[in-house]
Amino acid sequence: RKEVEQDPGPFNVPEGATVAFNCTYSNSASQSFFWYRQDCRKEPKLLMSVYSSGNEDGRFTAQLNRASQYISLLIRDSKLSDSATYLCVALNGGTALIFGKGTTLSVSS
Amino acid sequence: DAGVIQSPRHEVTEMGQEVTLRCKPISGHDYLFWYRQTMMRGLELLIYFNNNVPIDDSGMPEDRFSAKMPNASFSTLKIQPSEPRDSAVYFCASSLVGTGGETQYFGPGTRLLVL
Repeated sequence: RKEVEQDPGPFNVPEGATVAFNCTYSNSASQSFFWYRQDCRKEPKLLMSVYSSGNEDGRFTAQLNRASQYISLLIRDSKLSDSATYLCVALNGGTALIFGKGTTLSVSS
Repeated sequence: DAGVIQSPRHEVTEMGQEVTLRCKPISGHDYLFWYRQTMMRGLELLIYFNNNVPIDDSGMPEDRFSAKMPNASFSTLKIQPSEPRDSAVYFCASSLVGTGGETQYFGPGTRLLVL
């Protein structure tokens, strides 16, 4: 079983839609969590960190539930430019990032 | 500022040949990571260095793979001999850990195709 699991999608949504991605992790000792974004044929880039209290960055909201070992990402008012693969990431041992396989989002006009 | 630099960007080789991938991390970063990404397995950590010292190479698939970091500004990942199943995108990333900077900055990757 992979340490970080995501629904691969694809999620196909119209512009303006709200879409939510979920992720579960198996290592209860994981210290920190992140969402990375990867555009087609590009490198992954940090989108946002995930905190237990929940955090928001514009149209993006990330949430962590340690009891359920569950992480979510909510995107409101989807834009065409949000089309990408979203990678759920856990930080283990203070340094090693463990990546999920990603969830693909396609936003259409 | 220059980001992580990788070369070559694309590599096509034949089975059995030696392949060397190169990485220049962001100046001042003390951690360097090598990843491999495939459709089947996603993004996998192969090895990482702290201050040029290999810390964890448990992700290296087998003895055909080796990595070095002779100085703070250069690292190589070598595959010898290469096999078709090594075909993947290889990413190098660097970070400055310990200052709350767990963010890893990825290079553009090397697309490797082994025929």
